[in-house]
Order: sequence, then C-alpha cells, then structure tokens
Amino acid sequence: NAGVTQTPKFQVLKTGQSMTLQCAQDMNHEYMSWYRQDPGMGLRLIHYSVGAGITDQGEVPNGYNVSRSTTEDFPLRLLSAAPSQTSVYFCASSYRETDGYTFGSGTRLTVV
Amino acid sequence: GESVGLHLPTLSVQEGDNSIINCAYSNSASDYFIWYKQESGKGPQFIIDIRSNMDKRQGQRVTVLLNKTVKHLSLQIAATQPGDSAVYFCAENPYNQGGKLIFGQGTELSVKP
Repeated sequence: NAGVTQTPKFQVLKTGQSMTLQCAQDMNHEYMSWYRQDPGMGLRLIHYSVGAGITDQGEVPNGYNVSRSTTEDFPLRLLSAAPSQTSVYFCASSYRETDGYTFGSGTRLTVV
Repeated sequence: GESVGLHLPTLSVQEGDNSIINCAYSNSASDYFIWYKQESGKGPQFIIDIRSNMDKRQGQRVTVLLNKTVKHLSLQIAATQPGDSAVYFCAENPYNQGGKLIFGQGTELSVKP
C-alpha cells in the first residue's frame, strides 16, 4: 500500500514548455484533488475529481488541465508553463467526501 | 468570499508546554474541519478532524475544539515536543461541494528545548 504517489519530485521547465505531473493512489479512493502551495501560503485548489470520468475546477484552474480516466490516476497537465506556475504541487485523495485527505509528497516545479 | 484564516502566523513554545493554534472560518455551510501538520519538504499530514455536530474531539495529545457560534476552531497540543515543530493548517470542507478543502494560511509552531 503505497498511498499517494507523485512524480516527478522536482522539475525545471522553460517558459512555454508543457508537462504532466503524475498522481496515483492505490487506496481505491474516489475523491482526488490537486493543490498548489506558494511560499508562506496555504494550499489552493486547482482541480478536483469525485470519481472516474468526473472533474471540476477549483480556485485556481487557469493554465492547468486534468482528466480522470481511472480511479487510480489523476494527472495534472501544464499546457504552456509560465513563471507564475512556479510552486509546489500536491495531489490528495480521499475515500469519501468528508474524510481526511491523504496527501502525496509533492512536486516542486520551477519555471524559468 | 469563503475563507479560512489563522490568527497567529507563528507560535513559539517551550518543550513540555501546551500549544494552542487558532483558526477562523467564514463559511457557515462547512460541516467538516481538518487539522494538518506539514513538516519542511513534506506533504500535509492528517492530525485530527471534527464534524459540525460535535464541539470537541480528542486524539493522542491533540484536541480540536469547534465553536460554530463564532466560526472558530482550535488545535490544542498537550506536552509539546520538538517533533511537533511544523506548520499547522486548518481546512474546512463546505457541505456537498465534492470534498473541496479550503485551507487557512498556516501557523508555524516552533518548540524550544
């Protein structure tokens, strides 16, 4: 039981490049979310999913796309990276809507 | 708009003392609250949660209090240890919104030996 696995742990991108941040969980959780965390701030919700095939926007969705083709995976895509997307990204999952979410260890992204 | 905020950004305590971290929330529709601990370079770790039909919940060395009248919750850590040093976040889960969590800014707890 690995929990929530995020890859890569670190990434440097040039402005305009695209990439996908991977998130996988092996706990059969229906609910999955992506957050970004900027220095000295709390976590802000980017996108979330309540089950396979269902996604919705959070507080800061611009510049990011998601899909949920399986229960286990919830990748986050940056289509054209911008320096403002430099941040630490966390993926989280939960079995029910009102359960404590389990977080991954994060991806630290720098856009230059 | 919806917000969850913390009164104190930093808190320094002596080892062995009790710590109290406060949090205010603004969405009266929130019915579930969680406290997370985040150590440097790691993801948030679940500490304790409380539902809106309760006003107190205890765990191992931690207690969460919820006051719905003034939209306030607190995290109490008993006999604080150096390993408790971290940033603590409160998060609220508005009812029937797909499990979205709204996080506060966080409080950094520093424990002096």
